[in-house]
Amino acid sequence: GQNIDQPTEMTATEGAIVQINCTYQTSGFNGLFWYQQHAGEAPTFLSYNVLDGLEEKGRFSSFLSRSKGYSYLLLKELQMKDSASYLCAVRDSNYQLIWGAGTKLIIKP
Amino acid sequence: DADVTQTPRNRITKTGKRIMLECSQTKGHDRMYWYRQDPGLGLRLIYYSFDVKDINKGEISDGYSVSRQAQAKFSLSLESAIPNQTALYFCATSDLAGDTDTQYFGPGTRLTVL
Repeated sequence: GQNIDQPTEMTATEGAIVQINCTYQTSGFNGLFWYQQHAGEAPTFLSYNVLDGLEEKGRFSSFLSRSKGYSYLLLKELQMKDSASYLCAVRDSNYQLIWGAGTKLIIKP
Repeated sequence: DADVTQTPRNRITKTGKRIMLECSQTKGHDRMYWYRQDPGLGLRLIYYSFDVKDINKGEISDGYSVSRQAQAKFSLSLESAIPNQTALYFCATSDLAGDTDTQYFGPGTRLTVL
């Protein structure tokens, strides 16, 4: 079967750095997405990786290792507004997105 | 104005009722999707459409049907609602011409079936 694993919940301190991991086992790979979702709201696109390596976008960076079936989302200089769930999704060989259950990130002052 | 809109935003209905959730988009995207989200689970694909004449079942299509009335409109129907269809429903759009085929989501419809 296809599977995306992420930690259920993480806690970090305002101003710090946090890394959210995602491991995947899917039938094929055609890209990996990270989305942010505030409670009760729509997921919003953060980043896309299709080749190995690091993609940086302001305070957020995303890393991919296809050989290890692994990605992480790195958030720097954490702000209270970063409290949200972070969703990892992999596009499989059928071009369908397989979604992880999300990681709830709690930011403390 | 929002690029992807969903109506209604909240709906409470009773078991056995037929209901329709509607999605409209002004992004000009060809591809549209319906997902449901349940606590502790990832988003699950119900149906998707790559153009007006194309409709495909997703992972959990049983109990649901869809209609693609136009490029900009994609509606989801529950023929006879049951309590385990209580969930948050999202519509999404994407555009393969945009290279990454990133999906963009509407604000969601919270459906409660009593």
